[in-house]
Amino acid sequence: GAGVSQSPSNKVTEKGKDVELRCDPISGHTALYWYRQSLGQGLEFLIYFQGNSAPDKSGLPSDRFSAERTGGSVSTLTIQRTQQEDSAVYLCASSYDRVNEKLFFGSGTQLSVL
Amino acid sequence: AQKITQTQPGMFVQEKEAVTLDCTYDTSDQSYGLFWYKQPSSGEMIFLIYQGSYDEQNATEGRYSLNFQKARKSTNLVISASQLGDSAMYFCAMREGISSGSARQLTFGSGTQLTVLP
Repeated sequence: GAGVSQSPSNKVTEKGKDVELRCDPISGHTALYWYRQSLGQGLEFLIYFQGNSAPDKSGLPSDRFSAERTGGSVSTLTIQRTQQEDSAVYLCASSYDRVNEKLFFGSGTQLSVL
Repeated sequence: AQKITQTQPGMFVQEKEAVTLDCTYDTSDQSYGLFWYKQPSSGEMIFLIYQGSYDEQNATEGRYSLNFQKARKSTNLVISASQLGDSAMYFCAMREGISSGSARQLTFGSGTQLTVLP
């Protein structure tokens, strides 16, 4: 498809388990972002991949969170030893890497930690 | 300090009336972009309108327009002739530029929940 694809759309896991969330950006987009949105809240920035530069990890809430982007395309967000407060919608977005370029968002992964 | 401030958690407007959603921002950069997104209850993020820091004219896109006041660092969204389908959460966001010509990540405000009344 032409849009940003995220999988799975829903993930239910038990506290303490690790989870991997996947994002497939729009082809040609050099910038890729991960955001987290708790119920009824705004978007919390997590991490930003910008071309070949080192990623901006300043938004990752703890060392349990990590992300990688292989070959400048697909990205995986990993949450280790999940906690209940990790429950949220995780949104991925991609864009061209210029100030005036809008972000295209995926439909998100709803993560529920029991 | 908050980079993007939306002071209206909730707003109501009568159908067919106009409504203004407020947004102020904080940056020391000269080059930046301002965006508005709409998020209906379905959860998708829909891009509405963009204003560049160097744009002299206020941006318009159909029923959406921006009241961009650079000196005051504000970029208020005006929705004219509101429709029931406009009921959604509205987010203001800013993307700052860096000297190499590329950009930083998009920073969002906390959003305004707009409800259009029939």
